[in-house]
Amino acid sequence: QSVLTQPPSVSAAPGQRVTISCSGSSSNIGNNFVSWYQQLPGTAPKLLIYENNRRPSGIPDRFSGSKSGTSATLAITGLQTGDEADYYCVTWDTNLSVGGVFGGGTKLTVL
Amino acid sequence: EVQLVQSGAEMKKPGESLKISCKGSGYSFSTFWIGWVRQMPGKGLEWMGLIYPGDSDATYSPSFQGQVTISADKSINTASVQWSSLKASDAAMYFCARHVRQRGGSYYFDYWGQGTLVTVSS
Repeated sequence: QSVLTQPPSVSAAPGQRVTISCSGSSSNIGNNFVSWYQQLPGTAPKLLIYENNRRPSGIPDRFSGSKSGTSATLAITGLQTGDEADYYCVTWDTNLSVGGVFGGGTKLTVL
Repeated sequence: EVQLVQSGAEMKKPGESLKISCKGSGYSFSTFWIGWVRQMPGKGLEWMGLIYPGDSDATYSPSFQGQVTISADKSINTASVQWSSLKASDAAMYFCARHVRQRGGSYYFDYWGQGTLVTVSS
């Protein structure tokens, strides 16, 4: 059980907007940056968002991130079938000796 | 071009030892942390630990402390994870990733290896 809570699954139709939440506490999200990763089936994870809301080059602006208090959100607009994947939030946790922690992951289904 | 290339799939028996590796190229390997991430079949990603190849300083998630050893050899741009005695529960996909640390507490994995599948079965 991760210290970061994500919904196990979300779904939406092509072209629609979907959000994925990541809930934590003051020891992690509340005082640290959040990054988001996309894992397509059978592949390695890929960085989508870092520092809460920044996109690496090559990531379309359909993907956006935000943070408020002890929660973070990934939003995807203009959904495409190719967005069907698992999504993970990650942050630092000052209560953990190593520091880093993943959310449990959210399976996005594009109907 | 930054690349992390991991060693190939392994099939082992319980009790055997194993070392898997991650070779970096296209950047200064010694100056970026490398992280290791486990993904058990059908499950999510788990943070195992980090290593700084410049001085081999390693940190472990509590769940993995004492279970694995993370090491690095900066002379050959390679980081590794090893097990002294595998268990069936170690069967998983293992990923390495470059860990970026910036001022102000910004930490993230920007490049990932392709993964190494470890199968443990008698």
